[in-house]
Amino acid sequence: KQEVTQIPAALSVPEGENLVLNCSFTDSAIYNLQWFRQDPGKGLTSLLLIQSSQREQTSGRLNASLDKSSGRSTLYIAASQPGDSATYLCAANTGFQKLVFGTGTRLLVSP
Amino acid sequence: DAMVIQNPRYQVTQFGKPVTLSCSQTLNHNVMYWYQQKSSQAPKLLFHYYDKDFNNEADTPDNFQSRRPNTSFCFLDIRSPGLGDAAMYLCATSGRTGGNEQYFGPGTRLTVT
Repeated sequence: KQEVTQIPAALSVPEGENLVLNCSFTDSAIYNLQWFRQDPGKGLTSLLLIQSSQREQTSGRLNASLDKSSGRSTLYIAASQPGDSATYLCAANTGFQKLVFGTGTRLLVSP
Repeated sequence: DAMVIQNPRYQVTQFGKPVTLSCSQTLNHNVMYWYQQKSSQAPKLLFHYYDKDFNNEADTPDNFQSRRPNTSFCFLDIRSPGLGDAAMYLCATSGRTGGNEQYFGPGTRLTVT
């Protein structure tokens, strides 16, 4: 059974800092890994999708990497801004239309 | 813009009173999902439709049912809501293949009094 873990559970940084969020999964047999952002009381916004054959994906200040063999993915946020404050969730696609989510990292960026 | 829409955004129901949540999509995706997310927890898949084929998760209570009358719409019915069913309910869609990206709606926050 696939299990997804995110560390740290919460992170507080000053504006402008570069930061890394970690995601680990127990079963390397995944189709892809998706990173989401969730603002309080809101739905999920897809940030990046990395297919199993890819090593990384970039969108603006965000870069996500995937190492299937070690069961790890990281989300790198460059030059963080207060507007980046949210909960970040990773989810492993195990096939059969299933996403297994981590419990998220709650990020606070202070001005 | 193509999107996933959920109505209502906030729903209050009484203990034991049936409630229906609605999801619609303009992405023309084949697969529609319902997730339950309780406070500070990860979203949990309840079931999904692959076209008209319904796929229930093994641990989804019988109290939760779903209908998909056409490609665009999907409903979540909670037959007898309990206090433990208070949660955010998220609808998502994806294309036909298993490796496709999932797109989420804004969610419906359900309160049970």
